[in-house]
Amino acid sequence: EPEVTQTPSHQVTQMGQEVILRCVPISNHLYFYWYRQILGQKVEFLVSFYNNEISEKSEIFDDQFSVERPDGSNFTLKIRSTKLEDSAMYFCASSGTGGDQYFGPGTRLTVT
Amino acid sequence: AQSVTQLGSHVSVSEGALVLLRCNYSSSVPPYLFWYVQYPNQGLQLLLKYTSAATLVKGINGFEAEFKKSETSFHLTKPSAHMSDAAEYFCAVSERNTDKLIFGTGTRLQVFP
Repeated sequence: EPEVTQTPSHQVTQMGQEVILRCVPISNHLYFYWYRQILGQKVEFLVSFYNNEISEKSEIFDDQFSVERPDGSNFTLKIRSTKLEDSAMYFCASSGTGGDQYFGPGTRLTVT
Repeated sequence: AQSVTQLGSHVSVSEGALVLLRCNYSSSVPPYLFWYVQYPNQGLQLLLKYTSAATLVKGINGFEAEFKKSETSFHLTKPSAHMSDAAEYFCAVSERNTDKLIFGTGTRLQVFP
């Protein structure tokens, strides 16, 4: 069964450093998403992406964040200058025309 | 703004017992509603969804949920719990003009033998 994959599973970085979280969505999906979950809190929507453009973004998704689909398979989330409060589990999701969002296993980002 | 409330961060049941996980939403119009399950070290998996067809929705693994507009609820049930049902369950909502999901805080289900 096709699935969304994410790398790395765990990323540790120092405050102020740039990180790139990578996702490979399901191959025939056209809609892509990033969510995050700070430990003990809700899963929160960050951004949705379609046709090489951001469709919608939350207040969390400020200028420090960017997304890209650099090739036909990857979907990335970049945080330019990480802060301690960016520590969270980041989930990538993708959906096809049916609309059901399929989630990856997540990347745990720890900012020290 | 839309929100979802899941009552009970932890629910424990015996194997074979009824599972009831509660979810209430706030929305001015009936939204789309979802239940996701997360097993350890895995992503969120869609269990079932309500999109304004039948109010009783059947999902995978024997789970079902009933949309009750009068109670603004979408509780998840399973008649007989299995050990393999132990996981974290998330209720989510989205408005009809967006695919952004708004999640509840999750309920961890424990199943005892």
